[in-house]
Amino acid sequence: NAGVTQTPKFQVLKTGQSMTLQCAQDMNHNSMYWYRQDPGMGLRLIYYSASEGTTDKGEVPNGYNVSRLNKREFSLRLESAAPSQTSVYFCASFDFGRDAYEQYFGPGTRLTVT
Amino acid sequence: AQRVTQPEKLLSVFKGAPVELKCNYSYSGSPELFWYVQYSRQRLQLLLRHISRESIKGFTADLNKGETSFHLKKPFAQEEDSAMYYCALNYGGATNKLIFGTGTLLAVQP
Repeated sequence: NAGVTQTPKFQVLKTGQSMTLQCAQDMNHNSMYWYRQDPGMGLRLIYYSASEGTTDKGEVPNGYNVSRLNKREFSLRLESAAPSQTSVYFCASFDFGRDAYEQYFGPGTRLTVT
Repeated sequence: AQRVTQPEKLLSVFKGAPVELKCNYSYSGSPELFWYVQYSRQRLQLLLRHISRESIKGFTADLNKGETSFHLKKPFAQEEDSAMYYCALNYGGATNKLIFGTGTLLAVQP
């Protein structure tokens, strides 16, 4: 049981390059999320997926696209990276399991755009 | 618009001293509030929810709707409590979309 996993852990991109951040969870949760965290700020929601096949925008979706490939996987794509997207990206999953609130975060991906 | 404010970036206390980490929120609906903790080199994890009214690792938090606050308290700090603490508000109802405060670094000195 690995919980929420993210790849890669670190990435450096040049402005204009594209990349996809991968996230997977093995807890059979319905909901998955992508957050970003900038220095001195709280986590901000980029996109979320309430269930397989559905996605919706969060607070800061501009410049990103997402895919809920299946129940386990939720990827975040930067089509044309910009320095403003330098941040730490966290994936999370959530569900109510056995009447308990279950919310887990991944370890984060540190992205630098030069 | 919804907002979560944590006024202190750093709170430094001595071991055994009481701790209060402040959190204020702004939300037009019925708030659902959380405290998350991130220990050094570990991932963010849920500490407690106001709905469950539980005490985790000696920490408690009471929702005060009149003062729109959800302060985190512990009567006697331990060195292992040193971590980054984030207050969060669920503004998405069943979708569990969270807005986070900027966090408070708690440093417990020996």
